[in-house]
Amino acid sequence: KNEVEQSPQNLTAQEGEFITINCSYSVGISALHWLQQHPGGGIVSLFMLSSGKKKHGRLIATINIQEKHSSLHITASHPRDSAVYICAVMYSGGGADGLTFGKGTHLIIQP
Amino acid sequence: NAGVTQTPKFQVLKTGQSMTLQCAQDMNHEYMSWYRQDPGMGLRLIHYSVGAGITDQGEVPNGYNVSRSTTEDFPLRLLSAAPSQTSVYFCASRSGNSYEQYFGPGTRLTVT
Repeated sequence: KNEVEQSPQNLTAQEGEFITINCSYSVGISALHWLQQHPGGGIVSLFMLSSGKKKHGRLIATINIQEKHSSLHITASHPRDSAVYICAVMYSGGGADGLTFGKGTHLIIQP
Repeated sequence: NAGVTQTPKFQVLKTGQSMTLQCAQDMNHEYMSWYRQDPGMGLRLIHYSVGAGITDQGEVPNGYNVSRSTTEDFPLRLLSAAPSQTSVYFCASRSGNSYEQYFGPGTRLTVT
């Protein structure tokens, strides 16, 4: 079974800290997504990556295809960044569609 | 564009009742999918569709039926609800030209 592993599961940090969340997957992918979900809320797409690096504001996402690994970084973290961050991949091949998700990282930024 | 819409937002069912969760998108997307989100399990794929008239099973399809008679709509049917189907359900869509995913706001279902 193709799996997506995220670490850490839980992360508490102080405002202003640099945050890194990691994601690894098992086989070749067509794309990797980083998603954000606030408690009781909907799913917001932050990034979609198939190679390299993307930046949006204080968020940076990188992917290493050879190592099957991606990271999400948050610079100058703020309490409003507190949320669950979810890594999801679309595996390539096989003709199937749909995403396979990690279990998420619960991030709390304390003021 | 409304994007991806889901109705209802909340629903409470008794065991054995049936219902349909609605999902619609106005972006002319070929691909649509249904996921359920459970604490500790994350999001899991129930069913997906690669176009009108074509559906297939995902990771957890048991107890759910789908059909895709139009490009816009992808309803999820629970024929006989069970407490194990208590979950939050998300619908998503994407174009055939991109892997960018668009999620609906979710339906919170409780089966008692």
